[in-house]
Amino acid sequence: AQSVAQPEDQVNVAEGNPLTVKCTYSVSGNPYLFWYVQYPNRGLQFLLKYITGDNLVKGSYGFEAEFNKSQTSFHLKKPSALVSDSALYFCAVSPLTGGFKTIFGAGTRLFVKA
Amino acid sequence: EAGVAQSPRYKIIEKRQSVAFWCNPISGHATLYWYQQILGQGPKLLIQFQNNGVVDDSQLPKDRFSAERLKGVDSTLKIQPAKLEDSAVYLCASSLTGTNFNEQFFGPGTRLTVL
Repeated sequence: AQSVAQPEDQVNVAEGNPLTVKCTYSVSGNPYLFWYVQYPNRGLQFLLKYITGDNLVKGSYGFEAEFNKSQTSFHLKKPSALVSDSALYFCAVSPLTGGFKTIFGAGTRLFVKA
Repeated sequence: EAGVAQSPRYKIIEKRQSVAFWCNPISGHATLYWYQQILGQGPKLLIQFQNNGVVDDSQLPKDRFSAERLKGVDSTLKIQPAKLEDSAVYLCASSLTGTNFNEQFFGPGTRLTVL
């Protein structure tokens, strides 16, 4: 069965430190990969996506993500965390063609402490 | 650019009652999605429209849920009758096309509580 795993329910990091939010997937073929963020009382917002090409993709608010095909992972990273980055982060995958539709992970809550 | 609009933002009903949610996507977006997000879980796709046609409704509980997108613009999702397990946030999203590499734009959601 197709699945997306975010192994950490919560990630805690101090402001100014680097952060990583992990995502692994188990799907047929090579999917498109996305990260979305959900701030309190607001809808999900698109952060970045991987379609093809360079394994390191850059997105909004200084976030980047690294695609690793052999490990089927797409970890979200930021070199220096801000308190305002505290939110709920979702990894999502979509198939290249047909098949299953977009699948979301369960989400990881990021807390950045001042 | 106006975002995806949803109403109401909150709804409380008793089980076996009916409820309807409304969504207006971003202007020009051909694809519209309805998701169910249960507390502690990621969004689960219920139905996907391409213009006014259904692309995927494989996870829609069709015995109680229905959705329509008349004229290929705004959409309504209905639950009749509601069950306790329908308590969730219902998210509407839209994308420019139905191509899988397009990002989706989400509305603020409707939080449904079934008592």
